[in-house]
Amino acid sequence: AQSVTQPDIHITVSEGASLELRCNYSYGATPYLFWYVQSPGQGLQLLLKYFSGDTLVQGIKGFEAEFKRSQSSFNLRKPSVHWSDAAEYFCALNRDDKIIFGKGTRLHILP
Amino acid sequence: SQTIHQWPATLVQPVGSPLSLECTVEGTSNPNLYWYRQAAGRGLQLLFYSVGIGQISSEVPQNLSASRPQDRQFILSSKKLLLSDSGFYLCAWSVTGIRGYTFGSGTRLTVV
Repeated sequence: AQSVTQPDIHITVSEGASLELRCNYSYGATPYLFWYVQSPGQGLQLLLKYFSGDTLVQGIKGFEAEFKRSQSSFNLRKPSVHWSDAAEYFCALNRDDKIIFGKGTRLHILP
Repeated sequence: SQTIHQWPATLVQPVGSPLSLECTVEGTSNPNLYWYRQAAGRGLQLLFYSVGIGQISSEVPQNLSASRPQDRQFILSSKKLLLSDSGFYLCAWSVTGIRGYTFGSGTRLTVV
């Protein structure tokens, strides 16, 4: 069955430090993959998406993600986080025109 | 440009009362529409999706129903709310799923 796993429920990093949020997927074919961000009490905003081609995808707010087929992973990265990046991040894949989400990783930023 | 409106933003309802949450999309035609529920610690669960007027698919059995009376209107309803219906409800639309969804701002429902 198709699924998305985000192994880290919470991640804490210091402001200015680099960030990597992990995402693993299970899917029989080449997946369409997404990362969304959700600020408290808000809807979800699309950060970036991967459909095909270049495996390193650039998104908004300085985020990027790398698709690695051999590891079934689509990890999200940012070289230097800002306090405003504190939020919940969801990895997701498309299945039959429906998007399946991971359970999310909550990012905390230390000043 | 396309926009999605969802209301109300917050709602407190007693157990056993009815529910109606509305979502409308502007600036696009024949969108796919979705209702998700986000409960604490449980991620986002797809409840219903619709590919056209009157066409509703349910992903999980539950106390809720959905309707699509117009092309760009999607309604989530319940005849009698349960405590377990509390959560954050999100509406979303897409033209095709591979482009990703655009989400509304959500409705925080508390059943008391």
